[in-house]
Amino acid sequence: KQEVTQIPAALSVPEGENLVLNCSFTDSAIYNLQWFRQDPGKGLTSLLLIQSSQREQTSGRLNASLDKSSGRSTLYIAASQPGDSATYLCAVKEDYGQNFVFGPGTRLSVLP
Amino acid sequence: DTEVTQTPKHLVMGMTNKKSLKCEQHMGHRAMYWYKQKAKKPPELMFVYSYEKLSINESVPSRFSPECPNSSLLNLHLHALQPEDSALYLCASSHPGASNEKLFFGSGTQLSVL
Repeated sequence: KQEVTQIPAALSVPEGENLVLNCSFTDSAIYNLQWFRQDPGKGLTSLLLIQSSQREQTSGRLNASLDKSSGRSTLYIAASQPGDSATYLCAVKEDYGQNFVFGPGTRLSVLP
Repeated sequence: DTEVTQTPKHLVMGMTNKKSLKCEQHMGHRAMYWYKQKAKKPPELMFVYSYEKLSINESVPSRFSPECPNSSLLNLHLHALQPEDSALYLCASSHPGASNEKLFFGSGTQLSVL
């Protein structure tokens, strides 16, 4: 059964720092991996999607990488801002079926 | 239109009430999902409809009853809920089979069961 973990569980950084969030999954038979952002009590907003054949995706200050063979993905946030404060979740879509498996998330606080 | 719309945004109900949550998307997606999320926890999959047929039921209690009237609509009927069912209920949709299949979420219904 696919299991997804994320470290750290929580992170507090001063504004302007570059930071890395980590996502690990146990079964490399994935179709794609998606990173989401969630503000308290709100829905999830998709940030980046990496297909299983890709190594990385970039959007603005965000860069996500995927190493499928080792079961890892990282989300790099450059020049963090207080508005980046949120919970970041990764989710893998398995090769079969319509199941997206979520990690527990990393709660990020960027201090002014 | 890249939105998934959920109504209502907030719902308070007693344990004997019957209510329904609604979800709508007009992106032509043929897979629709219900997730339940407790505070500070990741979303937990409840149901998946693929091409209007129920394809995944994650052993959800029968007091939750999903319905997919057509490819754009998804309902979740609630009856005789328990206080522990209080949570954020999220609807999502995707285009199954696309190589870049992305999950789109609605803003959720915050449910409180008294």
